[in-house]
Amino acid sequence: EPEVTQTPSHQVTQMGQEVILRCVPISNHLYFYWYRQILGQKVEFLVSFYNNEISEKSEIFDDQFSVERPDGSNFTLKIRSTKLEDSAMYFCASKDRASPYEQYFGPGTRLTVT
Amino acid sequence: DQQVKQNSPSLSVQEGRISILNCDYTNSMFDYFLWYKKYPAEGPTFLISISSIKDKNEDGRFTVFLNKSAKHLSLHIVPSQPGDSAVYFCAATLRGGSEKLVFGKGTKLTVNP
Repeated sequence: EPEVTQTPSHQVTQMGQEVILRCVPISNHLYFYWYRQILGQKVEFLVSFYNNEISEKSEIFDDQFSVERPDGSNFTLKIRSTKLEDSAMYFCASKDRASPYEQYFGPGTRLTVT
Repeated sequence: DQQVKQNSPSLSVQEGRISILNCDYTNSMFDYFLWYKKYPAEGPTFLISISSIKDKNEDGRFTVFLNKSAKHLSLHIVPSQPGDSAVYFCAATLRGGSEKLVFGKGTKLTVNP
């Protein structure tokens, strides 16, 4: 069964450093998302991406964040200058038109900022 | 911002009995609701969904009920199995736009053998 994959599974970085989290969505999906979950809190929407552009972003998704679909398979989230409060699980998700609302999630990347 | 609320952080049931997980929402514009299951160190897995035009959707052991007037939905698992032990998230979305999911905080279900 097709699945969303994410790399790395765990990333440790120092405050102020740039990180890139990578995702490979399900191949025929057209809509892509990033969510995050800070420990003990709810899963929060960060950004949605469709047709090679951002369709919506949350207040969390400030100028330090960017997304890119550099080729036909990868979808990346970049944090330019990490802060301690960026420590969280980051989940990538994708969906297609056939199942208009069900999003399929990757296993997540645990980002630890020290 | 508490648009989707799951007021019970945990629930414990015996194997074979019914598990009922509850969810409330405040935004009357939501028109589609989903339940996700999450095991530790994994991403959320889609379980079952319901459109706002329905009041019930069933898939095997899982049934979701929607009460629009009360802005309340529930997930019933019958019979519960130890493998159902996980965190269950309720999520809601709006038709059109990005169709982002708005999640509740989750309920940790433990099914005891």
